[in-house]
Amino acid sequence: EPEVTQTPSHQVTQMGQEVILRCVPISNHLYFYWYRQILGQKVEFLVSFYNNEISEKSEIFDDQFSVERPDGSNFTLKIRSTKLEDSAMYFCASSPGAGYANGYTFGSGTRLTVV
Amino acid sequence: TQLLEQSPQFLSIQEGENLTVYCNSSSVFSSLQWYRQEPGEGPVLLVTVVTGGEVKKLKRLTFQFGDARKDSSLHITAAQPGDTGLYLCAGPDTGRRALTFGSGTRLQVQP
Repeated sequence: EPEVTQTPSHQVTQMGQEVILRCVPISNHLYFYWYRQILGQKVEFLVSFYNNEISEKSEIFDDQFSVERPDGSNFTLKIRSTKLEDSAMYFCASSPGAGYANGYTFGSGTRLTVV
Repeated sequence: TQLLEQSPQFLSIQEGENLTVYCNSSSVFSSLQWYRQEPGEGPVLLVTVVTGGEVKKLKRLTFQFGDARKDSSLHITAAQPGDTGLYLCAGPDTGRRALTFGSGTRLQVQP
C-alpha cells in the first residue's frame, strides 16, 4: 500500500539552529500538508501546499517556518532558529484531490527535540 | 477555528465488551473523519462520513454521523486487544482544507 515517508524519524537540535524535515508524499497525490503534535496535545494544522504554493497556513506557521517542494517528489518543512517550544512530532500528509472521500495519508512523523 | 470535543478521554475495558466513543461540536462540519493513532506513529484513516445520518461499518467498527452534521460516534463491538489505541476525530473548517482534530479517546482493551 502506498505510504508517506518521513525522514529523519528523530532529530535533536540545539536551540537557535535550523532544521529541515523531509517527506516523500504518495506519488499521485496533489495536496501536501504539515501538522504537528506537541506531546500530550492535539494534532495541529501548520500548512497545506498545492500546485507548488502554500494554499493555507495556520497562525502557528509564522516567518520561522517555510515549505518547499524542491524536486517534484520531496516536500520539506524548514524551521529557522528553533525554539524549545518547537519540540513536537511533525507529521507530513498528502491527499489525492479536492474531495475528502479518501482522506489523508499521514507519515509516521519526525520527533523533533530542541535542547 | 471549529472545535471538536471527544469523550471519554480514556477508556479501559475487557476483551469482548462493546463501547462507544463520541465526537461533538457546536459547529456544522461538511464531513468528519476518524483516525486511529498508535504511539510514535501518524494517524491512520479509518473512515470518512459525509452525509448527515450516515452509518458506515468497518468490520466490528460502526461509525455514525449526526443528522445535523455536528457530531459523530464510533461503536466497537466485541473489542479486542488489537483495538487498543488513540481514536481521533477530525473535520475540515468551513471552506478550508485544514483539519481540526479532537483531543482523542485513548482506548485500552485488556485481554
